[in-house]
Amino acid sequence: AQRVTQPEKLLSVFKGAPVELKCNYSYSGSPELFWYVQYSRQRLQLLLRHISRESIKGFTADLNKGETSFHLKKPFAQEEDSAMYYCALNAGGTSYGKLTFGQGTILTVHP
Amino acid sequence: DTEVTQTPKHLVMGMTNKKSLKCEQHMGHRAMYWYKQKAKKPPELMFVYSYEKLSINESVPSRFSPECPNSSLLNLHLHALQPEDSALYLCASSPVGGNFFGYTFGSGTRLTVV
Repeated sequence: AQRVTQPEKLLSVFKGAPVELKCNYSYSGSPELFWYVQYSRQRLQLLLRHISRESIKGFTADLNKGETSFHLKKPFAQEEDSAMYYCALNAGGTSYGKLTFGQGTILTVHP
Repeated sequence: DTEVTQTPKHLVMGMTNKKSLKCEQHMGHRAMYWYKQKAKKPPELMFVYSYEKLSINESVPSRFSPECPNSSLLNLHLHALQPEDSALYLCASSPVGGNFFGYTFGSGTRLTVV
């Protein structure tokens, strides 16, 4: 069975500082990995997906199969980045469409 | 239209009531999902519909009954719920086939069972 671990429940940084939200996964196959963000009182939004190799709002994430990690990074945090961030995995196959979420990390960016 | 619309936004129901949650999307997505989210917790999958057929039921109690009457609409019928069922119920949709590119979520129905 697949599992997603986000080791930090809370993460605080100052505006302009680099930020890294950690995500580790366990799955024997080739997973599809995602980061979702939930701003206060807003819907859960897709931030980025590893398959697209994109950069959204200055965030990037690289899939490291050797370390089974998909950490989310941003070089200069902004106050508007404060939100709950979820890492999620799709195993594909018969689990196509089923997302397994990590426990989430609450990011607070201080002015 | 790139949104998933859920109604109602808030619902309070008694343990003997019957109510329904509604979800609608017009993006042509052929997979639709129900998730349950407790405060400060990740969403937990309840049901997956693919091409209007139930493909995944995550051992959800029968007091929750999903229905997908057409490719744009997904309902969740509620009956004899317990206070612990109080949560945010999220609907999502996605295309089917090829690489999985993730969901579009609705804003949810906040359910309180009294």
